[in-house]
Amino acid sequence: DAKTTQPNSMESNEEEPVHLPCNHSTISGTDYIHWYRQLPSQGPEYVIHGLTSNVNNRMASLAIAEDRKSSTLILHRATLRDAAVYYCILRDGNNAGKSTFGDGTTLTVKP
Amino acid sequence: NAGVTQTPKFRILKIGQSMTLQCTQDMNHNYMYWYRQDPGMGLKLIYYSVGAGITDKGEVPNGYNVSRSTTEDFPLRLELAAPSQTSVYFCASSYLGQGVYGYTFGSGTRLTVV
Repeated sequence: DAKTTQPNSMESNEEEPVHLPCNHSTISGTDYIHWYRQLPSQGPEYVIHGLTSNVNNRMASLAIAEDRKSSTLILHRATLRDAAVYYCILRDGNNAGKSTFGDGTTLTVKP
Repeated sequence: NAGVTQTPKFRILKIGQSMTLQCTQDMNHNYMYWYRQDPGMGLKLIYYSVGAGITDKGEVPNGYNVSRSTTEDFPLRLELAAPSQTSVYFCASSYLGQGVYGYTFGSGTRLTVV
């Protein structure tokens, strides 16, 4: 399975933008890039996904590099409720959709 | 819409006991997955299913069994509990396996084996 690499932790101030990076240098042409977040004592929650083009939804934006070997999750105005572990994963439709979850990035938001 | 429901939420088992973790989804998703998450770590895939009657191993299947008799239910069985199985277990589902579809996760079962 293609792997992703994320920083262990990041800090942000409340109401400032946050850019969470992810490297996936071995991504294949059929892999979609997905982001999930996990609040304390909860299951992971879907945030956003994309294939080649940048994507926006009500929660966040996803910027995908032109060579697709990296991506960035953008939270436009961090709130205290955004403090969570963020996972960047690849979903491969040719492999029953099995994905490898790394350790993710723990985002701390300071008031 | 309940999504993915897991029961129980918490359980303490003694070494050697058995139990079944229940998972049910009401979204008519074909694919279902079981993950475990050890403290401070990411999720590891235990078993998955691409439809009723079809299951396959993930990366950490030893000590577990699954079955998928219906589209909705995907129970995980622990036959002889060991301390190494102390973890939080998450069930997830997906409409299909293609990358365009996302996962929906349950809220987890926290299992302690003593």
